[in-house]
Amino acid sequence: LAKTTQPISMDSYEGQEVNITCSHNNIATNDYITWYQQFPSQGPRFIIQGYKTKVTNEVASLFIPADRKSSTLSLPRVSLSDTAVYYCLVGDPRNTGFQKLVFGTGTRLLVSP
Amino acid sequence: DTAVSQTPKYLVTQMGNDKSIKCEQNLGHDTMYWYKQDSKKFLKIMFSYNNKELIINETVPNRFSPKSPDKAHLNLHINSLELGDSAVYFCASRPPGGNTIYFGEGSWLTVV
Repeated sequence: LAKTTQPISMDSYEGQEVNITCSHNNIATNDYITWYQQFPSQGPRFIIQGYKTKVTNEVASLFIPADRKSSTLSLPRVSLSDTAVYYCLVGDPRNTGFQKLVFGTGTRLLVSP
Repeated sequence: DTAVSQTPKYLVTQMGNDKSIKCEQNLGHDTMYWYKQDSKKFLKIMFSYNNKELIINETVPNRFSPKSPDKAHLNLHINSLELGDSAVYFCASRPPGGNTIYFGEGSWLTVV
């Protein structure tokens, strides 16, 4: 399973765009990139998933370069309620191994007024 | 309306006791999980059931025993609780052939 590296923490202000980058140099052909968000006292919540290029939903965008060795989660115009921990996971989500993935420490995003 | 619900949310108990955490999902998913999040915030899988059949059993002490009466329920029973069992336990589920895992809100277990 591909190992991921992401910043421990990030700070931002309301209304700004936040980009969180995840490095995954040994990503495999069948691997997808999945991001989860976890608020204090809650379970992780699926945000977005992609395989290549760009994926956008109502919450975020995910940018994946051609070599797929990294990816960037983009949160447009963050608000205070976006303060959370963001986890990047790489693997085949239908593979048993993916479900064994350790979420790690993630990136703690703090949004200030 | 909570999709994956687990009870209790908070549990404080003494060492040596036996306790259970219940989990139910109303999403029609066929795969359910128990994860443990420790003090360092690492979230690791403990067990996985698919249609009531155990498919993942990580290195977990025998004191932990999952039970799935049907595919909508996966309960976690813990015998002889130890201080090191204090953690947040998350139940989760996944739809058939799906690629997204849905988590419950967690059960905070404190062993004193």
